[in-house]
Amino acid sequence: DAGVTQSPTHLIKTRGQQVTLRCSPKSGHDTVSWYQQALGQGPQFIFQYYEEEERQRGNFPDRFSGHQFPNYSSELNVNALLLGDSALYLCASSFVATGSTYNEQFFGPGTRLTVL
Amino acid sequence: DAKTTQPPSMDCAEGRAANLPCNHSTISGNEYVYWYRQIHSQGPQYIIHGLKNNETNEMASLIITEDRKSSTLILPHATLRDTAVYYCIALASGNTGKLIFGQGTTLQVKP
Repeated sequence: DAGVTQSPTHLIKTRGQQVTLRCSPKSGHDTVSWYQQALGQGPQFIFQYYEEEERQRGNFPDRFSGHQFPNYSSELNVNALLLGDSALYLCASSFVATGSTYNEQFFGPGTRLTVL
Repeated sequence: DAKTTQPPSMDCAEGRAANLPCNHSTISGNEYVYWYRQIHSQGPQYIIHGLKNNETNEMASLIITEDRKSSTLILPHATLRDTAVYYCIALASGNTGKLIFGQGTTLQVKP
């Protein structure tokens, strides 16, 4: 059973460009969350998708947008790239049964984005 | 979700127990304590979680103080592969997954 997969693994863009990152969740998972991790920092929550809608959002500008497809896979789009967007972008998937307090998130290996 | 505080770094000898502390003095009654770790160049990995009772699984043990203001993650026999950044996170029951990561503790296991 494949875990969470992300593509591409590395990406180099220039300022002002747009980028799309992709994530396939672990089999059986219906929720996908995206995180940004700058060098030397902990991951920062961007947003979460469930049933093809954005359910929660962190403190990120509208340049960051996403999408979830019927097969639960997800995309993260970033427009008008800034140098400060250089980071490791992590995708995490989960499935929380109704009434359960257990919320383990499975993370992918991440996409390393470099903005020049 | 409550803020957590962890020491920035710790060392541990291989084969010895690693005890990683976490302070969460503002934790509320419905918030669980979760631990994740991140090995270099990988995504974070879930380790264990608990509410008020001590918990143990195949990876680690979690000891939560009676007043729930602090906790300790115990790796009973640390190996070199346990070298990683360890994150302590307070997560409210019903929270669907917005994990708030702090700086974490970098654990270096030495031979």
